[in-house]
Amino acid sequence: GENVEQHPSTLSVQEGDSAVIKCTYSDSASNYFPWYKQELGKRPQLIIDIRSNVGEKKDQRIAVTLNKTAKHFSLHITETQPEDSAVYFCAAEGSGAGSYQLTFGKGTKLSVIP
Amino acid sequence: DVKVTQSSRYLVKRTGEKVFLECVQDMDHENMFWYRQDPGLGLRLIYFSYDVKMKEKGDIPEGYSVSREKKERFSLILESASTNQTSMYLCASSLTGTGAYEQYFGPGTRLTVT
Repeated sequence: GENVEQHPSTLSVQEGDSAVIKCTYSDSASNYFPWYKQELGKRPQLIIDIRSNVGEKKDQRIAVTLNKTAKHFSLHITETQPEDSAVYFCAAEGSGAGSYQLTFGKGTKLSVIP
Repeated sequence: DVKVTQSSRYLVKRTGEKVFLECVQDMDHENMFWYRQDPGLGLRLIYFSYDVKMKEKGDIPEGYSVSREKKERFSLILESASTNQTSMYLCASSLTGTGAYEQYFGPGTRLTVT
């Protein structure tokens, strides 16, 4: 099955700086790569996703890049703000019979220091 | 607006008890999922269902079973609760199609087994 590795596990940045979180996946047939943000005590929520027919997608201060050849994708947050502090999870879809499911990375705890 | 609800936010049970966790979604989603979330381990899939009465094992199904008698409701059952099943349990739902789609999460149930 799919295996997703996420780095780093913790990340501290100064307010206004950029943050980058990286993930690798194992199944070359995967085509969907979402990122979820989970604030303390709340449910995970999708912040951005990308399908394999594009290499980059942006939404205001966040962007995701995908390199299918190398099987890795990254989340970029620019001009970080204290409200960006949360745990971020990357995920990749399964393949074959499990193509509805997502395999998640172990998460990155981002702390933005004011 | 998609709404996924779970029957309890907090639950305390004794070792050996049978435990039912219920999840309801109101968006007519075909797919439903049960995860457990533990610090440092991310979100791990227990079971998922792609249709009424259909179920598939995820990565950690041991000690759990599920039931989906109606499209909107997906239940997780711990036949005989053990202390190593103390965790946060998250339910999610998604549309179906070619591959995976955004998953919408419930608020979670924090289960403590003593």
